[in-house]
Amino acid sequence: GAGVSQSPSNKVTEKGKDVELRCDPISGHTALYWYRQSLGQGLEFLIYFQGNSAPDKSGLPSDRFSAERTGGSVSTLTIQRTQQEDSAVYLCASSLGPHTPNQPQHFGDGTRLSIL
Amino acid sequence: GEDVEQSLFLSVREGDSSVINCTYTDSSSTYLYWYKQEPGAGLQLLTYIFSNMDMKQDQRLTVLLNKKDKHLSLRIADTQTGDSAIYFCAEKRDRGSTLGRLYFGRGTQLTVWP
Repeated sequence: GAGVSQSPSNKVTEKGKDVELRCDPISGHTALYWYRQSLGQGLEFLIYFQGNSAPDKSGLPSDRFSAERTGGSVSTLTIQRTQQEDSAVYLCASSLGPHTPNQPQHFGDGTRLSIL
Repeated sequence: GEDVEQSLFLSVREGDSSVINCTYTDSSSTYLYWYKQEPGAGLQLLTYIFSNMDMKQDQRLTVLLNKKDKHLSLRIADTQTGDSAIYFCAEKRDRGSTLGRLYFGRGTQLTVWP
């Protein structure tokens, strides 16, 4: 597609349920990033995929969070047993790769997650 | 963000210039970016500057970088009401373990009054 696509755009769920958020990066982009933006806060890095390398999971806030990227393209972020503090906008970004230094990250419009 | 600081709010009158400031602490920064976020949308890349440059101009946007003081600014000339948004400063660091990751400030909410 022309840009980074995320789905759903909005998700409301009850506390304790599991949720899956999807990101479809720009075609040909090998690097994919997930960030979380809480109300009034900046962007919190969650996880980073680069090609077939092991992902950088250093930003995941707890073991309830996991992400995978199948076939080097689409990524899914899964949050298990959701808590109210998980409510935020989850943003995905992609880029050609970190070794092309002047290639910026392009962002999707995000998934707004609300935990009741 | 980690050690990327921005003021949270800026208000200007339409037609005036806006200057949004950002400071960072990591000397390994290679590229610095400005992103714009409108309500309900993701982040839109506005401009970026390589760390060996001190200025970059792109139409109404001027980026100034003082690497010695680790200070970055974004100047918007002839600010319009459509420029009202949150502006994020971000840096890319040249470290192997975090290569590619961006470090963001908390964003500056720019409000333009007619």
